[in-house]
Amino acid sequence: QKEVEQDPGPLSVPEGAIVSLNCTYSNSAFQYFMWYRQYSRKGPELLMYTYSSGNKEDGRFTAQVDKSSKYISLFIRDSQPSDSATYLCAMVRSGYSTLTFGKGTMLLVSP
Amino acid sequence: DSGVTQTPKHLITATGQRVTLRCSPRSGDLSVYWYQQSLDQGLQFLIQYYNGEERAKGNILERFSAQQFPDLHSELNLSSLELGDSALYFCASSVVGRATNTGELFFGEGSRLTVL
Repeated sequence: QKEVEQDPGPLSVPEGAIVSLNCTYSNSAFQYFMWYRQYSRKGPELLMYTYSSGNKEDGRFTAQVDKSSKYISLFIRDSQPSDSATYLCAMVRSGYSTLTFGKGTMLLVSP
Repeated sequence: DSGVTQTPKHLITATGQRVTLRCSPRSGDLSVYWYQQSLDQGLQFLIQYYNGEERAKGNILERFSAQQFPDLHSELNLSSLELGDSALYFCASSVVGRATNTGELFFGEGSRLTVL
């Protein structure tokens, strides 16, 4: 079992839809959780960062962490074609310096 | 533009050969990370350097090596190349040695290696 599991998709939605992206993890030592967005032919860029269980909102994006279930989610409201990208969850153990990434979910938002 | 520069962007070589990938981190960043991205494995951490010293090692093969120079740029050397080494190789940088504060790594655009 991989430490971080993420459905690769692709996930296709129409413009304006609410998108839900998810990751599960097996190592309870993970304490910090991030979502990175990667456009085609580009490097990943940080989208959201959370530490505690609960929700964190930033504009159209909401990151949710449930440590008891080892489950994290990213919600995108009013999705736009410009949101079409691969979304990677990432997490890191306290005291460590390296991120463990999910494989990424490809999202396609059609106009 | 993340401020991280990687060269070359594309590289095609043959099995058994050796290549060097170069990374210049963002100005002021002391940490450099190397990741390999393939369709089946996703982003895999290879190695991290902090201010010239190796800080952490991941799934890096013995055929691969890296170093960080006094000017903080880094090089990833891949030798005895195999078909399975074909992948995108990303360099990332951060200010501190730990990524835990915000989880923010700044990635370059990657070097795409094709081994024929």
